[in-house]
Amino acid sequence: DAKTTQPPSMDCAEGRAANLPCNHSTISGNEYVYWYRQIHSQGPQYIIHGLKNNETNEMASLIITEDRKSSTLILPHATLRDTAVYYCIVRGPNTDKLIFGTGTRLQVFP
Amino acid sequence: DAGVTQSPTHLIKTRGQQVTLRCSPKSGHDTVSWYQQALGQGPQFIFQYYEEEERQRGNFPDRFSGHQFPNYSSELNVNALLLGDSALYLCASSSINREYRGEQYFGPGTRLTVT
Repeated sequence: DAKTTQPPSMDCAEGRAANLPCNHSTISGNEYVYWYRQIHSQGPQYIIHGLKNNETNEMASLIITEDRKSSTLILPHATLRDTAVYYCIVRGPNTDKLIFGTGTRLQVFP
Repeated sequence: DAGVTQSPTHLIKTRGQQVTLRCSPKSGHDTVSWYQQALGQGPQFIFQYYEEEERQRGNFPDRFSGHQFPNYSSELNVNALLLGDSALYLCASSSINREYRGEQYFGPGTRLTVT
């Protein structure tokens, strides 16, 4: 599985868009990019995933570069409840194992 | 619809003892994965069960074993506990359906403290 690199921490003002970057330069053509988040004292929560195309759901948008070596998770209107550790994960097609790094700690402030 | 449930929520054990943690998957899910999360770290994959068999295993010793029951619930057993086994143990359920692989739903975890 490809390794991911994320900044350790980021801040965002409430109501603004939060853009969380992730580098996965060694990703293979059939590996998916997943994003999870973990709010303090809770289990991780699935957010979104993609292969090649940009994806959007009710929680967030995922932008994957054309060469697939990096991606950005976008929370369009961050709220205080979005304060959490965000994990970017690359998963191969034949495994269910999720390899978590240390993630990005996003702090949303009023 | 209940999500993933785990029991107990907290547990304190002594070195050398054995512990069993339990997990009930989200309704409709048939696959259960277990993760260990040390303080300040991301979760680490222990193993996954499907159809009552271990499908994948992470880099954990044989002291860590598991079981899945016909109703898809699962147990994690740890023998000969070490101080380093103190962690949050997370259970995640998912569907073997290829379309949804990777979408895992996590329980709140069991906090294990080994003294």
